[in-house]
Amino acid sequence: NAGVMQNPRHLVRRRGQEARLRCSPMKGHSHVYWYRQLPEEGLKFMVYLQKENIIDESGMPKERFSAEFPKEGPSILRIQQVVRGDSAAYFCASSPMGSSYNEQFFGPGTRLTVL
Amino acid sequence: RKEVEQDPGPFNVPEGATVAFNCTYSNSASQSFFWYRQDCRKEPKLLMSVYSSGNEDGRFTAQLNRASQYISLLIRDSKLSDSATYLCVVNMAAGGTSYGKLTFGQGTILTVHP
Repeated sequence: NAGVMQNPRHLVRRRGQEARLRCSPMKGHSHVYWYRQLPEEGLKFMVYLQKENIIDESGMPKERFSAEFPKEGPSILRIQQVVRGDSAAYFCASSPMGSSYNEQFFGPGTRLTVL
Repeated sequence: RKEVEQDPGPFNVPEGATVAFNCTYSNSASQSFFWYRQDCRKEPKLLMSVYSSGNEDGRFTAQLNRASQYISLLIRDSKLSDSATYLCVVNMAAGGTSYGKLTFGQGTILTVHP
């Protein structure tokens, strides 16, 4: 049973470009979460999605960031017009159900570097 | 006050030592609690969930005190491979916060030396 998969593992973008990060949840998991870890900081929640629905986006920056989890295919975190401050590790997690008692399992992350 | 607070350490202990980590959380309505470990530049990995009755998994014991809003993790007989950052994690799921949101502490760094 494959774990949570993320790609690319490393992504380099120049300021002003777009970054697309992909996440495939564990088999049987229909709930996906995105977190960001800035250098030397803890993980911060960004967004929680189910298939075709955004459940909680309270941690998403108001501009340039968007997320989706389509009926088919992986979840996508999209960052438009990247800036240096977007450089971070972006982790995706999944769980089988949407309960606060559910454990979330994390993917290996995408390390975004903005030049 | 931070929502989840941990002593950042670092803790440097010899192999075989017993070490304890503490964590406090601010939201009394928090529903579930976890310890994760994170190795350098890797993803967080679930170590154990924390239950009100306390729970043990091999060398690891977790305790929860809801009245004091306090969580602990005890590691006995430390191994070199235990060296990592230990993350206290709370699912607050209250006051409009969805149950999807985990809130992480800053982490406690543990180094176990020979």
